[in-house]
Amino acid sequence: DTAVSQTPKYLVTQMGNDKSIKCEQNLGHDTMYWYKQDSKKFLKIMFSYNNKELIINETVPNRFSPKSPDKAHLNLHINSLELGDSAVYFCASSPESVGYGYTFGSGTRLTVV
Amino acid sequence: GQQVMQIPQYQHVQEGEDFTTYCNSSTTLSNIQWYKQRPGGHPVFLIQLVKSGEVKKQKRLTFQFGEAKKNSSLHITATQTTDVGTYFCAEGTNAGKSTFGDGTTLTVKP
Repeated sequence: DTAVSQTPKYLVTQMGNDKSIKCEQNLGHDTMYWYKQDSKKFLKIMFSYNNKELIINETVPNRFSPKSPDKAHLNLHINSLELGDSAVYFCASSPESVGYGYTFGSGTRLTVV
Repeated sequence: GQQVMQIPQYQHVQEGEDFTTYCNSSTTLSNIQWYKQRPGGHPVFLIQLVKSGEVKKQKRLTFQFGEAKKNSSLHITATQTTDVGTYFCAEGTNAGKSTFGDGTTLTVKP
């Protein structure tokens, strides 16, 4: 069973469209995250959500909105997509206790044309 | 989260050579985590170091945490083609504020 699964794996869309990426974890972890990885491989935190608190990275445009229907799911909705949004988006989760590392999903490669 | 700087950004080695990547912070880290991302893959957690001066080994990989807990290194002995990928360090925190280093991408020439 996949621990952290995200869909879709690939997403190609036109500028201005709205799209969503879904993420689910079956590890019972308390905290989930969205990371953006650009072409230079830099991993940047976008959001984290631990069922109590949503932590927003101030550099993320408000066109990006996370939604967490329950502890096991954290979806990412993106409005009015721009060319610069093209990247690989990783969902990840971690337990409440520090020390066990993050478990990442396999990523969603978003291409905006 | 803490800002961690990682060097070098790229490293090209001949198979059998050693490889080291360094992670540095201007402030004391509570811990340091290391991840490996294979080409086309996702980051995979390798290890966490917590104690000052701690050294851990995983086969040909040696991880060190500095005495002042401001730096860390990952050393690979006798690289193999299976070692290719990008290695990231990060300070693990709860509340989801961890910052990853920029990564070191290793290529190994057979």
